[in-house]
Amino acid sequence: AQKVTQAQTEISVVEKEDVTLDCVYETRDTTYYLFWYKQPPSGELVFLIRRNSFDEQNEISGRYSWNFQKSTSSFNFTITASQVVDSAVYFCALSNQTGANNLFFGTGTRLTVIP
Amino acid sequence: KAGVTQTPRYLIKTRGQQVTLSCSPISGHRSVSWYQQTPGQGLQFLFEYFSETQRNKGNFPGRFSGRQFSNSRSEMNVSTLELGDSALYLCASSLHRATDTQYFGPGTRLTVL
Repeated sequence: AQKVTQAQTEISVVEKEDVTLDCVYETRDTTYYLFWYKQPPSGELVFLIRRNSFDEQNEISGRYSWNFQKSTSSFNFTITASQVVDSAVYFCALSNQTGANNLFFGTGTRLTVIP
Repeated sequence: KAGVTQTPRYLIKTRGQQVTLSCSPISGHRSVSWYQQTPGQGLQFLFEYFSETQRNKGNFPGRFSGRQFSNSRSEMNVSTLELGDSALYLCASSLHRATDTQYFGPGTRLTVL
């Protein structure tokens, strides 16, 4: 069974602070893919990153960075020097390679950046 | 390249009615998936279409159905609407493989009164 847990329901930070969003996943598959999406108030899910299970390299993209650790089944997301525009709900998601094209989503973390 | 488009953006229906939502994928994408988002259940997979065939289906009643056309555009239909069907319905498109990245549209917000 596939499962994604985002234990942090809501986080508030002051602008320019760093914030880490946690994601823990469960899967029996050896090949799987992890994703992060951002959902601003407009409702559209915006793709942020995709990582496959064989690539444990951390990734940095501007103020965003991702830490993938298979040993702890975690795929955490850090925003450095947060900005008000980062305020949104962030979803971690998992898919496998069974041929079924569906994403298993976590419950999301609502991030509020206070100016 | 244009993104995923969904129409209409907002819908208000009454119980017992039926509704059809439309999704146009990114050009060149052949797979279209539908998701339902509610405050209580979160984001849940409805079904996926590829080359006009339903390739995968989530755990939803038969009132929820869909189809895909030869140009990869997709529609989903919900018959005999219930209050609990009120949700944001999101469409996502991807190239073709199961593990390709899915790109989402803005969603259709359905309210059932």
